[in-house]
Amino acid sequence: DAGITQSPRHKVTETGTPVTLRCHQTENHRYMYWYRQDPGHGLRLIHYSYGVKDTDKGEVSDGYSVSRSKTEDFLLTLESATSSQTSVYFCAISESTGVHGYTFGSGTRLTVV
Amino acid sequence: GESVGLHLPTLSVQEGDNSIINCAYSNSASDYFIWYKQESGKGPQFIIDIRSNMDKRQGQRVTVLLNKTVKHLSLQIAATQPGDSAVYFCAEPIGGNQGGKLIFGQGTELSVKP
Repeated sequence: DAGITQSPRHKVTETGTPVTLRCHQTENHRYMYWYRQDPGHGLRLIHYSYGVKDTDKGEVSDGYSVSRSKTEDFLLTLESATSSQTSVYFCAISESTGVHGYTFGSGTRLTVV
Repeated sequence: GESVGLHLPTLSVQEGDNSIINCAYSNSASDYFIWYKQESGKGPQFIIDIRSNMDKRQGQRVTVLLNKTVKHLSLQIAATQPGDSAVYFCAEPIGGNQGGKLIFGQGTELSVKP
């Protein structure tokens, strides 16, 4: 989607290795979010940010950390990847709360073997 | 806790027919709902939203109905086309002004038969 890019698009990694996913936006939006999507669970919030260096946990934050040192970048790190973290990860941005919801990136498909 | 759920995981319709996708919510104080469409291999895309002071809102070929009495909303797609094949999610912001976190239902997969 225009204005938000995720990298990499696909990644295969081994159990126990650290992994960092990147979300980059050019919209200067304040809010950024990381979701994971799994069959039978829909989209679940991992972490979110409401400004530079301001982050908070979502409903499935265990095993994940985030950082936001610049408005445009929001990084999701799996400190030690596990097979249960195999998923599709989506980043989203929003200008303000409740206004047409979010704009989502195209996702990162992560496989932990 | 709050939840947003969908009644059916899959829906198959004939091209040209109308589609109705349903969603239930649990928080009677909820005041804003959003429908998203997710095509295969892509992120969800905004379709239409509705605030609790409305019962109905129409877009291009889509209508959302909100029944606050039974905490139910539906997405109606008129004259369904093959390009409408996707997973549809209802979503609700929680958390007020701090982050406006969206919670999503599990999704309904719409298949359009030619």
